[in-house]
Amino acid sequence: GAVVSQHPSRVICKSGTSVKIECRSLDFQATTMFWYRQFPKQSLMLMATSNEGSKATYEQGVEKDKFLINHASLTLSTLTVTSAHPEDSSFYICSAGQAHEKLLFGSGTQLSVL
Amino acid sequence: QKEVEQDPGPLSVPEGAIVSLNCTYSNSAFQYFMWYRQYSRKGPELLMYTYSSGNKEDGRFTAQVDKSSKYISLFIRDSQPSDSATYLCAMSVGGANNLFFGTGTRLTVIP
Repeated sequence: GAVVSQHPSRVICKSGTSVKIECRSLDFQATTMFWYRQFPKQSLMLMATSNEGSKATYEQGVEKDKFLINHASLTLSTLTVTSAHPEDSSFYICSAGQAHEKLLFGSGTQLSVL
Repeated sequence: QKEVEQDPGPLSVPEGAIVSLNCTYSNSAFQYFMWYRQYSRKGPELLMYTYSSGNKEDGRFTAQVDKSSKYISLFIRDSQPSDSATYLCAMSVGGANNLFFGTGTRLTVIP
């Protein structure tokens, strides 16, 4: 069945390095994917909407030059955290779907920046 | 004021108990209401979806929406240890790209 696959599940990196997170839709095509960030004991916050073949739409306060999103195909969106810093440490989750009841979430990526 | 308020808990109940989880919201334009279950360090899994007001039942789960009070609830009957997770409410005016989430309520069902 339809699944959203997200990799890696956990990444630890040094401050200043870049990290890429992949989000794939399996058994369905996703023209739109969503990227969320979740800090401990806080809500999921939408960071950006990834659109296949066009530029991503970023939420207010999210730096588009820091969080690079590429949605080059109907089944893959990537989020690159550039020059990561400790304050970027968080749980990043992607989702994909065409309607509310069919919105599927990836398993999330725990990013720890040392 | 946050768009969506949810008591973070934690909430502990014995196995077999009825669990009541709630969220309040401030935006009267919200039309779509969802409940997600999230296990530790995993992505949310959709449990219930309701459009506008009313009740919806699926097995042991019942979702209620009271738009006049801006209040939604999720009831879990005959709770099981496997129900132990964080439950997130979410809602939107329209469109999956504009979901507002609660902080989640952490539930533990004790065997």
